[in-house]
Amino acid sequence: AQKITQTQPGMFVQEKEAVTLDCTYDTSDPSYGLFWYKQPSSGEMIFLIYQGSYDQQNATEGRYSLNFQKARKSANLVISASQLGDSAMYFCAMSTGTYGNNRLAFGKGNQVVVIP
Amino acid sequence: DAGVTQSPTHLIKTRGQQVTLRCSPKSGHDTVSWYQQALGQGPQFIFQYYEEEERQRGNFPDRFSGHQFPNYSSELNVNALLLGDSALYLCASSLVRGGDSPLHFGNGTRLTVT
Repeated sequence: AQKITQTQPGMFVQEKEAVTLDCTYDTSDPSYGLFWYKQPSSGEMIFLIYQGSYDQQNATEGRYSLNFQKARKSANLVISASQLGDSAMYFCAMSTGTYGNNRLAFGKGNQVVVIP
Repeated sequence: DAGVTQSPTHLIKTRGQQVTLRCSPKSGHDTVSWYQQALGQGPQFIFQYYEEEERQRGNFPDRFSGHQFPNYSSELNVNALLLGDSALYLCASSLVRGGDSPLHFGNGTRLTVT
């Protein structure tokens, strides 16, 4: 069974600083995908970044980067130069080859509050 | 380019009642998935529809059912509502052969059962 673990308590981050959100995962499937989504108070889940299990390089998308350590089964999200609009819940999610990217297993999320 | 749209945005129902939630996928997408997100939790997969059939199902009882129409839009039906069904219901769309492309989510329907 797939499992995503996000255990950090809520975080306060100073504007313009970087923040790292931890995510560990567990799967026996050799082919899987890892996603990070942002959920502001409005409720919409906003896709941030994707890492495939066979990708050799860490994924980056603008201010977002994913620190993928396959042996440790971790996929931490790094947000550089935090902005006030980054205040939200952040969810790590995983898909496996069995079901493809249509079926995601989510963690419980990390709350981030950016302060000026 | 319209994204995923859901209706209604909020809904209040009484225990034992039935509810129908609606979703229109992002233009060009052919697959719709539904997720339930309880307060303080991550979303949980309910089921996925493609070609008007349920293709995958998560660990949800038969009280949860769905439908997909020829235009790819979808409905989620929940019968005999329980207090525990109170949650944010998220619809997501994608292409069945989308490779690494991510799910696109709507803003959700917040259901409160009293």
